[in-house]
Amino acid sequence: ETGVTQTPRHLVMGMTNKKSLKCEQHLGHNAMYWYKQSAKKPLELMFVYSLEERVENNSVPSRFSPECPNSSHLFLHLHTLQPEDSALYLCASSQNDHFSGNTIYFGEGSWLTVV
Amino acid sequence: GIQVEQSPPDLILQEGANSTLRCNFSDSVNNLQWFHQNPWGQLINLFYIPSGTKQNGRLSATTVATERYSLLYISSSQTTDSGVYFCAVRSPGTGTASKLTFGTGTRLQVTL
Repeated sequence: ETGVTQTPRHLVMGMTNKKSLKCEQHLGHNAMYWYKQSAKKPLELMFVYSLEERVENNSVPSRFSPECPNSSHLFLHLHTLQPEDSALYLCASSQNDHFSGNTIYFGEGSWLTVV
Repeated sequence: GIQVEQSPPDLILQEGANSTLRCNFSDSVNNLQWFHQNPWGQLINLFYIPSGTKQNGRLSATTVATERYSLLYISSSQTTDSGVYFCAVRSPGTGTASKLTFGTGTRLQVTL
């Protein structure tokens, strides 16, 4: 238990569906992240939120839409995805964004399959 | 951007054996972390070690920042140590140039 909880753990969606991934952190951190992990590739940073403001959008397609309503919650809204978007999506948090060099804590991940 | 290389890419050990995993990086860093990803996908933070040596039970890590490498030692390995070990580093700087960069990992399998 790392203090970062992701739901759902597994999601199968069609290319025309709209779904959301949810992340909640119980660590009192003020920065949250979405990472994508595809087979045979390093983890890719997608988005960074610091104090509920997006500070990084790592050239992510607009079919991925993040939302950070408060410092404890982070969502990733998904729509019109492609099969190549199938991957493990990992949420993480830290005290101050990781540009500051702080330890980062990950959730268990959401396995996404796009059919 | 900074390059991170991990070796070996795959490692199979018998339970009880010791191992050393290596992380090389191409630039100076002010943040280095080791993670273990279990078979269910969760990444667990093992060490925050931009320099020096730390130990936690059967695991220890050493970073020699001046020579741009870090080592993770696993002693008396157990089947629960199986999974992928990632090294992640950050260069000094600001903004997107200084994001945490992950290596491709070392996949460890510990057998009985």
